[in-house]
Order: sequence, then C-alpha cells, then structure tokens
Amino acid sequence: AQSVAQPEDQVNVAEGNPLTVKCTYSVSGNPYLFWYVQYPNRGLQFLLKYITGDNLVKGSYGFEAEFNKSQTSFHLKKPSALVSDSALYFCAVRADSGYSTLTFGKGTMLLVSP
Amino acid sequence: NAGVTQTPKFQVLKTGQSMTLQCAQDMNHNSMYWYRQDPGMGLRLIYYSASEGTTDKGEVPNGYNVSRLNKREFSLRLESAAPSQTSVYFCASSEAGGIQPQHFGDGTRLSIL
Repeated sequence: AQSVAQPEDQVNVAEGNPLTVKCTYSVSGNPYLFWYVQYPNRGLQFLLKYITGDNLVKGSYGFEAEFNKSQTSFHLKKPSALVSDSALYFCAVRADSGYSTLTFGKGTMLLVSP
Repeated sequence: NAGVTQTPKFQVLKTGQSMTLQCAQDMNHNSMYWYRQDPGMGLRLIYYSASEGTTDKGEVPNGYNVSRLNKREFSLRLESAAPSQTSVYFCASSEAGGIQPQHFGDGTRLSIL
C-alpha cells in the first residue's frame, strides 16, 4: 500500500523568509509525486509534480520541490514567502506502474505572517 | 472554460434522506474521481472512473454509489445519509495515464443532521 506523511500540521514563517513544507512517501516501485494547494472554500490547485528526471522541480507561484529517493522525501520549498502563500498544502503520491490512484497526505497549513 | 463544476455547493440533509451530488468537466478528460475531505484526514478517495463506462471503489466507498453518465459527468449518490457522511465532497478529473495532475471542483459542503 502507498502512503504519504506530512509530519507538520502547521508551519509558521515570516514574510520574506524561506519556507519548507515536508513530505515523505512510501510506494512500491517508482513514485509519481504531486503538490497541491487549497485556499479557503476552494478545491485543490496543482502546484508541481515529479515524474522523472531532474530532482529539483519548479512549479507555480515560485514554488519548487526536491525529490530525494534515498530519503523518500519530496519537500516543498520557496525562497521568499508571501502572506498570500498562506493556505493548506497537500502532498500526493502514486506508483508509476499499472493504474494506481493518488494517495494524499493529511495536509499542512502554512501561515505566513507580515 | 469552467473546468470542473459541482452542484450543489451546500446541502443539509436529515439522516436517512438520499441525494445525488453532480459533477461535470469540460476538459475532455477520461478519468474522474470523488473524494471526501474531513478535518485532519486529508482527502480520501470514494470512487473513481478511469474511463467512460467504468467505475471502481476507492478507499471509503461504503454508503455511496456512483454513475459515470457520459464522458463529462460523474455523479455521487448517498442512498441513506448518515451523520458520518457529513463532509466536504470534491470531484476531480484528469487525463488518462496518471502522470497528469487532477483538476478539482470547488466542493459540495454536506451536513447530515
């Protein structure tokens, strides 16, 4: 069975500081990894994905994520946080073989203070 | 381009009532999904449809049924609502193949008294 762990329920960071939202995963075979963001009363919006290739993936709104196979991690990062980045962030994984569905983490609330 | 549209946006039901949540996508996607979101639980897959004419159970299918009416539409039915089904329900769609991201609707907020 595949799983995702987001160890922090909430991350607090000051505007202008770098941010990291952590994600580790477990999957049989190679992973396809995704980050989504959810703003209040909205559906999830896709940020970025890792399928294969370069371990550093760049996405929307200045976000990036680093795939680390040995640590089975896919942490989301941004060099300089904005107050408008405050939202709920979800990591998701699926296996690269067959038809498997996405498994989501429980989400991490990011709060960026002015 | 509306993307994924869910109706209704809000609904209050009494225990034992039935209702159908509607979802339609205009992106010509093959795959469609129904999730529920509960505090501290993330998103859990209820049912999915990999392509028109097929449906499969997800992680939490009990108490629900689905219909893939055509390529655009995928409905979720609660036959006899229970308070444990109080949740926010999201529909999503994606291209086939699994490497493409899912596109989500804005959800249906369902309360069962």
